Amino acid sequence: SQQGEEDPQALSIQEGENATMNCSYKTSINNLQWYRQNSGRGLVHLILIRSNEREKHSGRLRVTLDTSKKSSSLLITASRAADTASYFCAAMKTSYDKVIFGPGTSLSVIP
Amino acid sequence: AAGVIQSPRHLIKEKRETATLKCYPIPRHDTVYWYQQGPGQDPQFLISFYEKMQSDKGSIPDRFSAQQFSDYHSELNMSSLELGDSALYFCASSPGPGARNEQFFGPGTRLTVL
Repeated sequence: SQQGEEDPQALSIQEGENATMNCSYKTSINNLQWYRQNSGRGLVHLILIRSNEREKHSGRLRVTLDTSKKSSSLLITASRAADTASYFCAAMKTSYDKVIFGPGTSLSVIP
Repeated sequence: AAGVIQSPRHLIKEKRETATLKCYPIPRHDTVYWYQQGPGQDPQFLISFYEKMQSDKGSIPDRFSAQQFSDYHSELNMSSLELGDSALYFCASSPGPGARNEQFFGPGTRLTVL
């Protein structure tokens, strides 16, 4: 079973709007990561949040983690057309474990 | 900065043929992970190696085998290829236990089985 599950599966917004993607996971984790993938291309690591952290920022990205609810969210502010991609959350149960990916959210930012 | 290198980037094979995918981790990274991403799917973990030993195994078919060599590069060998093996294969490396958690992904090898 997947460690990470995401919603929505697809999101379409206008340029300049904020995009929020949510992720839920099932077991305890060491950290949760968000990746971006342009169509059929490589995985780009965006941000990592550890289990003892609640919020983290990186540029226009804001990630929250609620371990009591086993959920995380990725907020992209002031979206751009270039943000169009699939976004995956991925969990690691230990610091050296494999990454278990959720199904991903396909984000379309309309110029 | 050096990144994970995968070769080849694209590979086309016929059914029942064999394929070998190579992964060169970031220097001083001793842990390698292999993932398979089918069309429209999320990446699935296949297998990992730490210090040349298999450290974890996921949903890797028996037709596939992998190893990590003394220079820490890894090879994924795939035999009796099936149409369903067509996918993007990612390799990732990390500094290993006790170090940063982040895995650094290579650009992937796109395997097409005809």
